[in-house]
Amino acid sequence: KAGVTQTPRYLIKTRGQQVTLSCSPISGHRSVSWYQQTPGQGLQFLFEYFSETQRNKGNFPGRFSGRQFSNSRSEMNVSTLELGDSALYLCASSPTGLTGTNEKLFFGSGTQLSVL
Amino acid sequence: LAKTTQPISMDSYEGQEVNITCSHNNIATNDYITWYQQFPSQGPRFIIQGYKTKVTNEVASLFIPADRKSSTLSLPRVSLSDTAVYYCLVGDTGRRALTFGSGTRLQVQP
Repeated sequence: KAGVTQTPRYLIKTRGQQVTLSCSPISGHRSVSWYQQTPGQGLQFLFEYFSETQRNKGNFPGRFSGRQFSNSRSEMNVSTLELGDSALYLCASSPTGLTGTNEKLFFGSGTQLSVL
Repeated sequence: LAKTTQPISMDSYEGQEVNITCSHNNIATNDYITWYQQFPSQGPRFIIQGYKTKVTNEVASLFIPADRKSSTLSLPRVSLSDTAVYYCLVGDTGRRALTFGSGTRLQVQP
């Protein structure tokens, strides 16, 4: 069974540009969540999607958005990039997204975004 | 949301047993305790999960006392490849996000 796939693996952008990251969940998983990881702030939750609907959102500005398609694949978009957006962006999938239960999250390897 | 507290870092040598304790004083009745391992530039990887008492799998054991206010991840006979950051998480039942703390950076030396 294939794991969570994130593309691209590395990305370099300049300030003001926008970027789109892609995530393909494990087959059969309907929940996709996104996390940002930086050395200073650690792992922070961005948002979670289930059946094409955003169910939960972390404390990030509106420049960060996402969507989920009918096949559960998800994309996240960051507009008007800032230097502080440089981070490892991680996607995770699970069957229903009900963390705290015995459901596990499966993470991809992430997209390393560098904003110059 | 139950907050977790764990040591920032630990050092060990190959072949030793490592125990990482996590406190979660406000854990809810229905919440599970889950540990993840993360290597640099990779996503966290599930290690072990438990609700109470002891759980063991092929890579680790998890000890949870009766009051569930803490848990201990035990890694038997660590090797250099166990050098990583280990996160202890408890989640609000039904919530759809994980709140990661700072994790414990384990450094295994030869």
